[in-house]
Amino acid sequence: GEDVEQSLFLSVREGDSSVINCTYTDSSSTYLYWYKQEPGAGLQLLTYIFSNMDMKQDQRLTVLLNKKDKHLSLRIADTQTGDSAIYFCASGTASKLTFGTGTRLQVTL
Amino acid sequence: GAVVSQHPSRVICKSGTSVKIECRSLDFQATTMFWYRQFPKKSLMLMATSNEGSKATYEQGVEKDKFLINHASLTLSTLTVTSAHPEDSSFYICSARDSFMNTEAFFGQGTRLTVV
Repeated sequence: GEDVEQSLFLSVREGDSSVINCTYTDSSSTYLYWYKQEPGAGLQLLTYIFSNMDMKQDQRLTVLLNKKDKHLSLRIADTQTGDSAIYFCASGTASKLTFGTGTRLQVTL
Repeated sequence: GAVVSQHPSRVICKSGTSVKIECRSLDFQATTMFWYRQFPKKSLMLMATSNEGSKATYEQGVEKDKFLINHASLTLSTLTVTSAHPEDSSFYICSARDSFMNTEAFFGQGTRLTVV
């Protein structure tokens, strides 16, 4: 089946930039998504990128897509303590998403 | 953004009983809803796709008789865990896709099920 991989943990200092990486295998993915999950909560859509785009910027968030390498990254500028959460990337179509295992972002003072 | 409400947020039940979880799209119509299960420190596993007015489509390995899904209206889908066992304890999350917009699915806040 399709597979999405992420590193499990990332620690950054407050004010620094965070970069969370993701690789996927489904070449037919229409969209690629980044979701944020805070403890005990559901998933909050942060941003998404259409598969024919290379980059998308939304305030502090920058998504980069390398379709050739099937590599997706999420950059959070000026990381704050409130950004501490688990970040999931997901690939697929509107009908079916495959999620990565999630990257736990820890923001230290 | 669009809101998906999931209820209850937490439930504890005894082994052998059944538990119903509701997923509602509050401000949009959703012909399709998705049910996921999340294991500790694991990703979300798609259990089934719920289609309004028709039978749900279950992923391989998911027992349809154990996880009953009903999508009776454009704003409500329910997941019933029947004859619950402790190993059914998990975090269940639903998502709903706006019938008129195909870019994203909105997620509920999840239900923590504990079977004792």
